[in-house]
Amino acid sequence: ELKVEQNPLFLSMQEGKNYTIYCNYSTTSDRLYWYRQDPGKSLESLFVLLSNGAVKQEGRLMASLDTKARLSTLHITAAVHDLSATYFCAAAQGGSEKLVFGKGTKLTVNP
Amino acid sequence: SAVISQKPSRDICQRGTSLTIQCQVDSQVTMMFWYRQQPGQSLTLIATANQGSEATYESGFVIDKFPISRPNLTFSTLTVSNMSPEDSSIYLCSVRTGEETQYFGPGTRLLVL
Repeated sequence: ELKVEQNPLFLSMQEGKNYTIYCNYSTTSDRLYWYRQDPGKSLESLFVLLSNGAVKQEGRLMASLDTKARLSTLHITAAVHDLSATYFCAAAQGGSEKLVFGKGTKLTVNP
Repeated sequence: SAVISQKPSRDICQRGTSLTIQCQVDSQVTMMFWYRQQPGQSLTLIATANQGSEATYESGFVIDKFPISRPNLTFSTLTVSNMSPEDSSIYLCSVRTGEETQYFGPGTRLLVL
C-alpha cells in the first residue's frame, strides 16, 4: 500500500530565506504532484513530476523527483509572504489514477 | 486544463438527512474522483467514478453511505447519506484530463449539526 510522508508539517520562515519541504513515498509511483491550498480554497496544481531527475520551476518554487530514493522536494527560494499556504504532495498509486496525499505542510512566511 | 464546478458550495445539514453534491466538468473525462478533506486534514479518496459502470470505493467507504452516479462523461454526483457530525468535511471532485495534471473542483463545505 502506497504511503506518503511529508515533512515538516509546519514551517514558519522569514521573508527572504530559503527552505525545502520533503515528500517521501513508500512504493513505486509513476507520478508525483505538488499542490497549494489557501485557507478555505480548493487545491491549485503546482507541479507534476513524471520521471527520475525531473525538475520543474515556477517563480520561487522548484520541485524535483528522485524515484530511486522515492523522494520529492519542493524548494522555496527567497520566500515572500504570498507563499503562505498549505502545500501537499501526492503520489499516484502505480498503474492507477488514484492519488495518495501527504498530510500537508503549513507554511507561514513572516515579514 | 479542466474547469470543474461543484454545487452546492457549502451547506449546513441536520443529522440523519442526506445531501447530494454535483460535479460538472467542461470537457469529457473517463474517470472522476471524489475526495474528502476533514477539518485540518489531508485528502482521502472516497471513490472513483467511471461512466457506465459502478463506482469503485476505497477501503472505509461504502456505497450505502456514499452512493455515486455518473450518468455521462461530464457529470457526477456524490450523496452523503444518513449524515452525522463526523461527515462534516470538504468534499472535492477531481479529474485528470489528457494532460498529466489532476484538477480539483472548488469543493463543497459540509457542516452537519
